[in-house]
Amino acid sequence: NFMLTQPHSVSESPGKTVTISCTHSSGSIASNFVQWYQQRPGSSPTTVIYEDKQRPSGVPDRFSGSIDSSSNSASLTISGLKTEDEADYYCQSYDSSNHGVFGGGTKLTVL
Amino acid sequence: EVQLVESGGGLGQPGRSLRLSCAASGFTFGDYAMHWVRQAPGKGLEWVSGISWNSGSIGYADSVKGRFTISRDNAKNSLYLQMNSLRAEDTALYYCAKDIKASSIFLSADYWGQGTLVTVSS
Repeated sequence: NFMLTQPHSVSESPGKTVTISCTHSSGSIASNFVQWYQQRPGSSPTTVIYEDKQRPSGVPDRFSGSIDSSSNSASLTISGLKTEDEADYYCQSYDSSNHGVFGGGTKLTVL
Repeated sequence: EVQLVESGGGLGQPGRSLRLSCAASGFTFGDYAMHWVRQAPGKGLEWVSGISWNSGSIGYADSVKGRFTISRDNAKNSLYLQMNSLRAEDTALYYCAKDIKASSIFLSADYWGQGTLVTVSS
């Protein structure tokens, strides 16, 4: 089994840019797609990125996803931060043995 | 508008059973794989089970294998999770999630329901 490791928390000011990392413990991050989910307090998750870098309709282009094979990690970047972006963010991927593996989640504070 | 509405949660005793349902609307249900994902109180997300569009591919997390059974009825636009031999560690909010794909049960969710709470306690 593999793990996805995220920072426990990040914080940034409104209008700035923040990047949340997601490091794959074994194997290649590029072997299978990575998704990113946003969960605001008291709400169900919503998808902000799927298949590494694709945005569902309705998700603003302030959200972007990328993969870095050199660090074996995925990243979610949010630019032009808004207070409404304050939420928990989860990365997720899979492999042939594990159909859905989530990172532990990152709490984003927009102060 | 895609809607996923879960039901069937509640208080279950250890060793007993519960059946969750998810009613889907706003998309062609039979064209997509579906999943159950749970979240224990104050914890992160955990994939529970997935089923392909035609029920030909089914998968379970090791934590529920042999106890939970996923199924779907495309004519009724509904997804189900039969939960047997309940344990205290099954206590969680259970979400129904739509996949972006039809056949693969490797999770790539694009829509989520609001969840139904399952509490396992005597």
